[in-house]
Amino acid sequence: DIQMTQSPSSVSASVGDRVTITCRASQGVSTWLAWYQQKSGKAPNLLIYAVSTLQSGVPSRFSGSGSGTEFSLTISSLQPEDSAIYYCQQGNGFPYTFGQGTKVEIK
Amino acid sequence: QVQLQESGPRLVKPSETLSLTCTVSGGSIGIYSLTWIRQLPGKGLEYIGYFSYSRGPRYNPSLKSRVTISADTSKNQFSLNLRSVTAADTAIYYCTRERYNYGTAFDIWGQGTMVTVSS
Repeated sequence: DIQMTQSPSSVSASVGDRVTITCRASQGVSTWLAWYQQKSGKAPNLLIYAVSTLQSGVPSRFSGSGSGTEFSLTISSLQPEDSAIYYCQQGNGFPYTFGQGTKVEIK
Repeated sequence: QVQLQESGPRLVKPSETLSLTCTVSGGSIGIYSLTWIRQLPGKGLEYIGYFSYSRGPRYNPSLKSRVTISADTSKNQFSLNLRSVTAADTAIYYCTRERYNYGTAFDIWGQGTMVTVSS
């Protein structure tokens, strides 16, 4: 299986800060990389697919980039409602796998 | 707008079969796949497998010997059966829509159902 490793495991930042989460794959996943946001007690919600394509309705402060084995999710200006756990997921090798999650907290 | 809803027993005894249903409303899965994903307590997300009308089912090799995913077209429902469960199968189970044209991403999720394996 392709292993997905996220860093950091948690981050605490202030409203308005720029936050970047990194996701590393154990082997290349081409552009088959997605990001999800999961708020407490809720199902994950798709934010970005195909590395950098914003899902409909997702605020433009979220962006994704990367290629091959290194990817990142950036929140350009952190808002209180962004407090959540964020997961990356690869869709290149079966079974599809997720990162362990990064918890984003507001200071 | 397609919506997904999981249903089934919340408590299953060890060695028995976990059976869940995903009901699709507001449309159909169509050309996409219906996927089951679970979230172990306090841990990450694990892909269980999918059902596609064009390709049939496919399962995570780690669960393949115990899992069956099937579809009831007349009821617009999908089923997950996981046999010989243990406490390690205690998790929140989600059904999702898998979009292959999104680079295999999951764009619609059910609310999830918590299943506990315990005697």
